[in-house]
Amino acid sequence: DAKTTQPNSMESNEEEPVHLPCNHSTISGTDYIHWYRQLPSQGPEYVIHGLTSNVNNRMASLAIAEDRKSSTLILHRATLRDAAVYYCILRDWTGKLIFGQGTTLQVKP
Amino acid sequence: DTEVTQTPKHLVMGMTNKKSLKCEQHMGHRAMYWYKQKAKKPPELMFVYSYEKLSINESVPSRFSPECPNSSLLNLHLHALQPEDSALYLCASSQGPGRAPSGNTIYFGEGSWLTVV
Repeated sequence: DAKTTQPNSMESNEEEPVHLPCNHSTISGTDYIHWYRQLPSQGPEYVIHGLTSNVNNRMASLAIAEDRKSSTLILHRATLRDAAVYYCILRDWTGKLIFGQGTTLQVKP
Repeated sequence: DTEVTQTPKHLVMGMTNKKSLKCEQHMGHRAMYWYKQKAKKPPELMFVYSYEKLSINESVPSRFSPECPNSSLLNLHLHALQPEDSALYLCASSQGPGRAPSGNTIYFGEGSWLTVV
């Protein structure tokens, strides 16, 4: 299973943008980059995913480096409800979703 | 409806008990998953079912026995568990088989909190 590396924790101020980085230097050509988040006492929640091109949805944007060895999840205006553990995951041809340690995001009012 | 429903939300069982966790989805998904999550750790994959057949077993001890009676239901039968098996057990589902395509979104339930005493 390909590995991802994320900072253990990050802080943000409310209503400011947040950039959550992820390194995945061993990514293969067919691995999809998925982001999930887990709020306290809840199951993980899908945020966004991509393969090669940058992606936008109502929750966030995903910026993928040209060599695909890193990516950044962008929350455009953080709210207190965005405080969660954010997981960057490479999903390979087996379809398995293997979670790494994730980044704990704290949002300050 | 993008809901995965898990019951019970909380379960306390003794080491000699037999119990089951249940999971249900009505999204027409054909892949279903069990994950285990210990406190302050990421979820760990246990089993994957594709089209009601077990496709992946991540070397889980036999005291955990999964069952997929139909495309909407997934059970996890528990027998002779140990206190270290206490954890949050998460069920999830996705459209299409678990093995492909890798872009499928996986939807998680809120989990069943299991305590083994």
